[in-house]
Amino acid sequence: DIQMTQSPSSLSASVGDRVTITCRASQSISTYLNWYQQRPGKAPKLLIYAASSLQSGVPTRFSGSGSGTDFTLTISGLQPEDFATYYCQQYYDSLLTFGGGTKAEIK
Amino acid sequence: EVQLQESGGGLVQPGGSLRLSCAASGFRFSSYEMRWVRQAPGKGLEWVSGISGSGGTRNYANSVRGRFIISRDSSTNTVYLQMNSLRGEDTALYYCARRTAGSVDAFDFWGQGTMVTVSS
Repeated sequence: DIQMTQSPSSLSASVGDRVTITCRASQSISTYLNWYQQRPGKAPKLLIYAASSLQSGVPTRFSGSGSGTDFTLTISGLQPEDFATYYCQQYYDSLLTFGGGTKAEIK
Repeated sequence: EVQLQESGGGLVQPGGSLRLSCAASGFRFSSYEMRWVRQAPGKGLEWVSGISGSGGTRNYANSVRGRFIISRDSSTNTVYLQMNSLRGEDTALYYCARRTAGSVDAFDFWGQGTMVTVSS
């Protein structure tokens, strides 16, 4: 299985901050990488697909980049509703795998 | 509006069985692969299983292969997960999710989940 490692596992930030979350794959996955947001008690929501494409309806303060093994999710100007847990997910392999998650908390 | 509604969760003893259901509406059900994803309490997401739109292709995570069976019924727009030989580590919130159409393989719609607890 392809292992996905996210860092940091948690972060503390203020409203308006720029936040970057990293996801590393155990082997090259090209750009077969998605990002999700999960608010407490809610189902995950697709934010970014194919490493850098914004899902319809997602605010433009969210952006993704990377290819190969290293990827980033950036939130430019953190909003109160963005305090949540973020997951990356690879689809290079048919055995789909997620990262362990990054919890964004209010400073 | 796409809607996915899971049901069938509950408390079951180790070694027992349970069948989850996911009722889908608001889209052409037979055109989409459907999946199950689980989340143990306080933990991350784990893809469990997927079934193609026709039902002809099924995939399983290594952790459940040989114990779980996914199926679908296009007459009722429902996807099922038959879970056998349940273990404590199967305790989780089970989500039903839809695969995106096309070449990108993502989960674009999710249900709210049904809780499965395996305990004696």
